[in-house]
Amino acid sequence: EVQLVESGGVVVQPGGSLRLSCAASGFTFDDYTMHWVRQAPGKGLEWVSLISWDGGSTYYADSVKGRFTISRDNSKNSLYLQMNSLRTEDTALYYCAKDAPPGVYSGSYFDYWGQGTLVTVSS
Amino acid sequence: EIVLTQSPGTLSLSPGERATLSCRASQSVSSSYLAWYQQKPGQAPRLLIYGASSRATGIPDRFSGSGSGTDFTLTISRLEPEDFAVYYCQQYGSSPRVTFGQGTRLEIK
Repeated sequence: EVQLVESGGVVVQPGGSLRLSCAASGFTFDDYTMHWVRQAPGKGLEWVSLISWDGGSTYYADSVKGRFTISRDNSKNSLYLQMNSLRTEDTALYYCAKDAPPGVYSGSYFDYWGQGTLVTVSS
Repeated sequence: EIVLTQSPGTLSLSPGERATLSCRASQSVSSSYLAWYQQKPGQAPRLLIYGASSRATGIPDRFSGSGSGTDFTLTISRLEPEDFAVYYCQQYGSSPRVTFGQGTRLEIK
């Protein structure tokens, strides 16, 4: 059974930093591109970032580029999101999501999602 | 960036009725790379449809997707009580910059 379990969400002040983690199991982690998708309270879904299966390619939404860094450790079946210079508008539930087809470098659609971890940016 | 506009914003129907949800793209979605998701309160999104018309594993056949180019539709043939939720479309034809629609809330009339 595929499982994605996010952690690391807390309340942080504007300008602060945070690292989110996603522990994956139930599939061959290093075959798949992985994503972070966020959802502000009461709002829709916003794609944040992706990292290719081998870690060789990363992409970011314009709203987080230069502030967030995605990474992965295939030996630990884990995905990470380093979040710096946080803003109040970054407040959201952050989901880890698995790309559906294996080996797609630039990402596609998502067949499994975690339950999310809540990041609140507030003074 | 491809902008997806979903309509209506809210759809009020009764169980047993047919639901038709629309997703319109600001430019053509290449290769019909369009997916649909269902999200219930307090839950993560669930994949329903990919490639505009292919049902994901375990999705009942009352859910169907259609369309190409800039106009796509999700149809639920006969609504069950568990189908009332928010539905999102997503394009991945211009990946890596995938985008989502703003969602359609399907509520019980």
